[in-house]
Amino acid sequence: AQKVTQAQTEISVVEKEDVTLDCVYETRDTTYYLFWYKQPPSGELVFLIRRNSFDEQNEISGRYSWNFQKSTSSFNFTITASQVVDSAVYFCALSELYSGAGSYQLTFGKGTKLSVIP
Amino acid sequence: DGGITQSPKYLFRKEGQNVTLSCEQNLNHDAMYWYRQDPGQGLRLIYYSQIVNDFQKGDIAEGYSVSREKKESFPLTVTSAQKNPTAFYLCASSGPGTENRNEQFFGPGTRLTVL
Repeated sequence: AQKVTQAQTEISVVEKEDVTLDCVYETRDTTYYLFWYKQPPSGELVFLIRRNSFDEQNEISGRYSWNFQKSTSSFNFTITASQVVDSAVYFCALSELYSGAGSYQLTFGKGTKLSVIP
Repeated sequence: DGGITQSPKYLFRKEGQNVTLSCEQNLNHDAMYWYRQDPGQGLRLIYYSQIVNDFQKGDIAEGYSVSREKKESFPLTVTSAQKNPTAFYLCASSGPGTENRNEQFFGPGTRLTVL
């Protein structure tokens, strides 16, 4: 069965600091997808990135970067020069290509609450 | 604008009552999903539907029911059989094709409180 672990429950940083959110996953499939979502206080989940298991290139998008390492089953998320608007709960999620009856179910970690202090 | 709407945003229910949460999407997505989120927890899948008139139980379906009579709509009923219904409920949808199926778009959520 697939599993996603976000060991950091809560993190607090001072504005402009860099912060890395950890995500470790378990899956028996060789083909799978990994995701990061942001949940601001309003509650809606905002999609940040999708990565498939065959693409281990790291990705950078503005102040956000993602480090995917299959060898350690990790998909970590770094925010550079954090801002107060980054304060939110961040979820890592995993989807196996054929997870149960042809569906594409997402398995979520429990989330990391990030607080950026001005 | 295309998107997913959920209503109401806040819902209060007395114990023993059934209540229905609305989820509508105009993204022309085939698949729709219902998740439950409890404080400090990730999202857990209640039900999902890959096509009209078909739906499947997720990990925590007991005490819930759904219908999928139209592509755009996937209402969730929280029945009196659900032992602890107070939670935040999120609806999502995803488009056709392998890549798109794996990218779920979420609605703004409904916060249900049982009094």
